[in-house]
Amino acid sequence: EIVMTQSPATLSVSPGERATLSCRASQSVSSNLAWYQQKPGQAPRLLIYGASTRATGIPARFSGSGSGTEFTLTISSLQSEDFAVYYCQQYNNWPPEITFGQGTRLEIK
Amino acid sequence: QVQLQESGPGLVKPSGTLSLTCAVSGGSISSSNWWSWVRQPPGKGLEWIGEIYHSGSTNYNPSLKSRVTISVDKSKNQFSLKLSSVTAADTAVYYCARWAAVAVAFDIWGQGTMVTVSS
Repeated sequence: EIVMTQSPATLSVSPGERATLSCRASQSVSSNLAWYQQKPGQAPRLLIYGASTRATGIPARFSGSGSGTEFTLTISSLQSEDFAVYYCQQYNNWPPEITFGQGTRLEIK
Repeated sequence: QVQLQESGPGLVKPSGTLSLTCAVSGGSISSSNWWSWVRQPPGKGLEWIGEIYHSGSTNYNPSLKSRVTISVDKSKNQFSLKLSSVTAADTAVYYCARWAAVAVAFDIWGQGTMVTVSS
């Protein structure tokens, strides 16, 4: 099983500042990496797929980078609606396997 | 646009079988996408349970494989989850989600349904 490790567990940032979230895979997942945002009581929302492609309707302040085992989600200028939990997720072709990181809680400083 | 809606009992007895259905609206379940179940225990992270294609092909999380069955009903445009021999550890919000082949990610999610395992 490919294990996804996110850091930090909690990140405190002030509105308007930049937030950088990390995700590490226990083995290479190429660019098969997605990021999701989840707010309390809601389903996750796809932000980034293919490690760096924004999903439809996602603001340009969200960007993803990385490949292989190291990935980063950057939010350039935090808005109030961005404070949430963020999950990374990998996909492995064979055997078919989908695993999530444990999440990073982004909170207001 | 495609929407997903989970339904099923909110309470299941220990050792029983959890059964949920996901209705697909605004699109066909026979499109070129896989359809998945994902769960989230209270206050915890996300766990992929398994997926199905409209042909009936399935893939399961190895940690749950022995207890999981996912099936599809194309005539009703829906797919279903059965999880047997449940314990309190299976208490969670269960989501159905569409795995988009182009994005290689879950692009559409249901709202989720809470299932509690308790006597």
